[in-house]
Amino acid sequence: DTEVTQTPKHLVMGMTNKKSLKCEQHMGHRAMYWYKQKAKKPPELMFVYSYEKLSINESVPSRFSPECPNSSLLNLHLHALQPEDSALYLCASSRGGTYNSPLHFGNGTRLTVT
Amino acid sequence: DQQVKQNSPSLSVQEGRISILNCDYTNSMFDYFLWYKKYPAEGPTFLISISSIKDKNEDGRFTVFLNKSAKHLSLHIVPSQPGDSAVYFCAASYNAGNMLTFGGGTRLMVKP
Repeated sequence: DTEVTQTPKHLVMGMTNKKSLKCEQHMGHRAMYWYKQKAKKPPELMFVYSYEKLSINESVPSRFSPECPNSSLLNLHLHALQPEDSALYLCASSRGGTYNSPLHFGNGTRLTVT
Repeated sequence: DQQVKQNSPSLSVQEGRISILNCDYTNSMFDYFLWYKKYPAEGPTFLISISSIKDKNEDGRFTVFLNKSAKHLSLHIVPSQPGDSAVYFCAASYNAGNMLTFGGGTRLMVKP
């Protein structure tokens, strides 16, 4: 079992829909991440939150909007997506701060945009 | 420019033998290296890491070797088991940073 929980596991949405992906961790980690992974490709970083503040945005289109309500929760709000946004969206967390520490990933949300 | 490369897209090994997965990097600032395993429909699972101050780190059946002069790291799995069949990603970061750069992955198949 992963210690990073993502919901929903699967999501199908139309291009005019608004939906949200949710992520939760209870490891006391202070850094949280959103990654996107397409088939047969490595994960690509989208956003990093450090101590609940957005620290990195990898030039992600504004139709993706992250939110970190508290140190345990991370959301990704989706609006007006395109079919090419269909992918596995992975949440991860790590200790944060000045330590080298591994990222721990959730099992992802498989998103299909129709 | 791909800063972390896994040049073998796939590897097939007999059960009980050694699996060796390789990874090369170009950015000399990288100082922390990790290996992840990924099964289909799951997120990557952290396996083992190594800091640039070391050249070897071992955890059970998994050993990671780092050759800084060659900018090369490898993951050894001994003995290989059918349950090890998965895609393996190497990743790197620097300055305790939050950005992991991933290699393209190697699919390992361990045959019974």
